[in-house]
Amino acid sequence: GAGVSQSPSNKVTEKGKDVELRCDPISGHTALYWYRQSLGQGLEFLIYFQGNSAPDKSGLPSDRFSAERTGGSVSTLTIQRTQQEDSAVYLCASSLVRIQGHEQYFGPGTRLTVT
Amino acid sequence: AQKITQTQPGMFVQEKEAVTLDCTYDTSDPSYGLFWYKQPSSGEMIFLIYQGSYDQQNATEGRYSLNFQKARKSANLVISASQLGDSAMYFCAMSFTGNQFYFGTGTSLTVIP
Repeated sequence: GAGVSQSPSNKVTEKGKDVELRCDPISGHTALYWYRQSLGQGLEFLIYFQGNSAPDKSGLPSDRFSAERTGGSVSTLTIQRTQQEDSAVYLCASSLVRIQGHEQYFGPGTRLTVT
Repeated sequence: AQKITQTQPGMFVQEKEAVTLDCTYDTSDPSYGLFWYKQPSSGEMIFLIYQGSYDQQNATEGRYSLNFQKARKSANLVISASQLGDSAMYFCAMSFTGNQFYFGTGTSLTVIP
């Protein structure tokens, strides 16, 4: 498929465990974003990658959250010591270039439930 | 600070009628882009339409048009000839020559048969 893919689609974990969420952007897209969407809410920016530049981590809510992007392609969002308030849908998006005229293409999201 | 405001948490429209979803924004940056996304109940975010801050004409994409009033800092989405499949959440978003996209809180649209 040519779209953004995310895995897993659903993840249930116990409070205190670590989780890893994966995003495969559209091939050739240099920009990659992670967002969090709580139930019935808008999108909360988490982190942004552009090519080989240092990522913009300004949206990460705490130091339990981290992300990396290997080889300018696949990205992994890691949440350590998960809390119940981390329960949300985590959306990944990619875009062709880092200018405002290019729309983001979103993946289907990972629904994270922390029990 | 950048801010996007969608004041209509929920809207209803009769099938085949037109509907306007409101979006206002606040920025001092002269260069920005405005987007509308649709999120059906299945959860995926679907890009609908884009307007650049320097674009002279309102953007149109099929049944979607963006009523861009720069002086009022508004970017309302107009959906003409509503269809049942238009029922979804609609998000207004703004981007800059930088990294972040800013999203509004969304408007839930229900199309009534």
